[in-house]
Amino acid sequence: GAGVSQSPSNKVTEKGKDVELRCDPISGHTALYWYRQSLGQGLEFLIYFQGNSAPDKSGLPSDRFSAERTGGSVSTLTIQRTQQEDSAVYLCASSLDLRLNTQYFGPGTRLTVL
Amino acid sequence: RKEVEQDPGPFNVPEGATVAFNCTYSNSASQSFFWYRQDCRKEPKLLMSVYSSGNEDGRFTAQLNRASQYISLLIRDSKLSDSATYLCVVRGTTNKLVFGAGTILRVKS
Repeated sequence: GAGVSQSPSNKVTEKGKDVELRCDPISGHTALYWYRQSLGQGLEFLIYFQGNSAPDKSGLPSDRFSAERTGGSVSTLTIQRTQQEDSAVYLCASSLDLRLNTQYFGPGTRLTVL
Repeated sequence: RKEVEQDPGPFNVPEGATVAFNCTYSNSASQSFFWYRQDCRKEPKLLMSVYSSGNEDGRFTAQLNRASQYISLLIRDSKLSDSATYLCVVRGTTNKLVFGAGTILRVKS
C-alpha cells in the first residue's frame, strides 16, 4: 500500500485480556515508531525500531507492553492484562531511516478497555 | 515541566485572519523542529519543518529562535480548511520525536 496501515482500526476488550496491534510501514522504510494518544492529550512516544532492533524502550509505560518487528517490516505492539488506563489511540509511524525525520503516520488503532 | 509546551487554545478566528501559534521546548540540545497538523480523529501529518533561518510555505511561515528555545507558526489568510490541531514537534539527541499537546484552531466563516 501507499501509506502506513494499522489493524484493527478499533478494538474493544475486557480488562485483563491481552491485545495485539499491528502496523505495516511504508515499503522500504527502515524506521518504525509507536505512539499513543489519550483523549485530549498529545502523542506519547512508546518505542522505535531501526530495522528489527529497538534501541530505546524507555517509553513503554509498563512491563505489560512489548513490541517486536520481524523482517524489517511489520511490527506488533502487545499489551498484556489490559487495564482501563490503556484505552487510547495507538499510532504507528514510519520513516525512510532514522536520520530522515519525516514520519508518516498510520490511521491508528482505537483501543477501548472496558 | 513538559518538554514541549503549547497554548492549547482554542483560537477562534474569522476567515482571512492571520493567526500565530507559539511553542517552547526545554531541551537546549534539540536538533530538529516541526509543525504537524492533526484533524479530528485523524492521524498527524507533517505540515512543515522549521529551520533557524525561518521558512515559508505558501500562507504558512515557521520561525525558530534557538536562544529562546521558541518556535512559532504564522498562518495568513486563514481558510475554513485550516481548522485543525497544530502540533509542535521537537527531536532531541535521541531519535524520538516529542510532541506538544497541540493548539486547536477553529476558522469560522
